[in-house]
Amino acid sequence: AQSVTQLDSHVSVSEGTPVLLRCNYSSSYSPSLFWYVQHPNKGLQLLLKYTSAATLVKGINGFEAEFKKSETSFHLTKPSAHMSDAAEYFCVVSVKTSYDKVIFGPGTSLSVIP
Amino acid sequence: GAVVSQHPSRVICKSGTSVKIECRSLDFQATTMFWYRQFPKKSLMLMATSNEGSKATYEQGVEKDKFLINHASLTLSTLTVTSAHPEDSSFYICSASHGNEQFFGPGTRLTVL
Repeated sequence: AQSVTQLDSHVSVSEGTPVLLRCNYSSSYSPSLFWYVQHPNKGLQLLLKYTSAATLVKGINGFEAEFKKSETSFHLTKPSAHMSDAAEYFCVVSVKTSYDKVIFGPGTSLSVIP
Repeated sequence: GAVVSQHPSRVICKSGTSVKIECRSLDFQATTMFWYRQFPKKSLMLMATSNEGSKATYEQGVEKDKFLINHASLTLSTLTVTSAHPEDSSFYICSASHGNEQFFGPGTRLTVL
């Protein structure tokens, strides 16, 4: 079975400071992992994805994530937070068995303090 | 990149009526589409996996007779909320598989009065 845990339901950082959003997954198969961002009343936007290539993945808007198989983690980071980063972030695991299976984490709400 | 559309973007209906939501992959063919439901300030909950030409696979706790899914072509899946009630009010999002990535529609906000 597949599952995704986002350890923090809410993270608050000051503008210009680093961002760390944590994600741990469980999967019986080799997963693909994604981070999506959702701004208020908006659709989902893909930030970055891991699909068994390089373990350090760079995404849009300065975000990156590192896949650590030994820790079953895929934490999202950004060196310096911007006010526009305030949004809801979802870690997603996808496995391809006899059919695709996509599971969303519960989400982390990021607040950026000026 | 691949584009997925949803129609309508917003719908208001009376209790007891049925509402159909369309999900289309505009520039690719999708043998598999997914339907999600999102409550306010909550994550997306997978409702069902829609497979072209076969029956949908529903997640545990989702009523298949309540939420009818049809995937008649490689570019269109529909979700029909039958006999809608106020508790069905939610944000419904579809996605389509393309390669090893999911592409999400913009969502449909359903309000049942």
